[in-house]
Amino acid sequence: QKEVEQNSGPLSVPEGAIASLNCTYSDRGSQSFFWYRQYSGKSPELIMSIYSNGDKEDGRFTAQLNKASQYVSLLIRDSQPSDSATYLCAVNQWPGTGGYNKLIFGAGTRLAVHP
Amino acid sequence: EAQVTQNPRYLITVTGKKLTVTCSQNMNHEYMSWYRQDPGLGLRQIYYSMNVEVTDKGDVPEGYKVSRKEKRNFPLILESPSPNQTSLYFCASSSGQGYQPQHFGDGTRLSIL
Repeated sequence: QKEVEQNSGPLSVPEGAIASLNCTYSDRGSQSFFWYRQYSGKSPELIMSIYSNGDKEDGRFTAQLNKASQYVSLLIRDSQPSDSATYLCAVNQWPGTGGYNKLIFGAGTRLAVHP
Repeated sequence: EAQVTQNPRYLITVTGKKLTVTCSQNMNHEYMSWYRQDPGLGLRQIYYSMNVEVTDKGDVPEGYKVSRKEKRNFPLILESPSPNQTSLYFCASSSGQGYQPQHFGDGTRLSIL
């Protein structure tokens, strides 16, 4: 079982619609969750971070976290063609006593917003 | 400007010819990592460093070496590159282990012939 799972897509939505991107993770001890956007051939760019259950909004983006269900999502409202990219979910991996608390990335979901 | 700088951005080389990809950050971050990204596999961690002179293996360390002699620099060394190391490489840094987001460099595309 992969530690961080995302649907690879492509997720195709019309311009102006809401895009919903989902991510599940296996480590129940995880405490930090991040969404990155990556354009083709470019480096990942941080969009959102979330640490507590519930919703966190930033402009057109809303991150949702449900630790009981081990589920984190990203909603993009009023989707624009410029939002077309791959979205990476990243979850910290709790190492237990000692050790390095590292980030595990999902393989990403490709979003295509068409005019 | 806060940034992570990688060099070179592109490199085509041949099997067995030692190469180094440099990474430098100007944010005084303690934590630095190297990732490789391959289609369908996402970002996989190669090595990480928690501070000067403190490094450890990530998920795919075979064939790579790193060093951290200064806080700002974290070079990736391929002593005898092979074609299966052809990939897109990213260096990243953060101020905290897993609680803080990682800031990525622009990437280095390596082709090993």
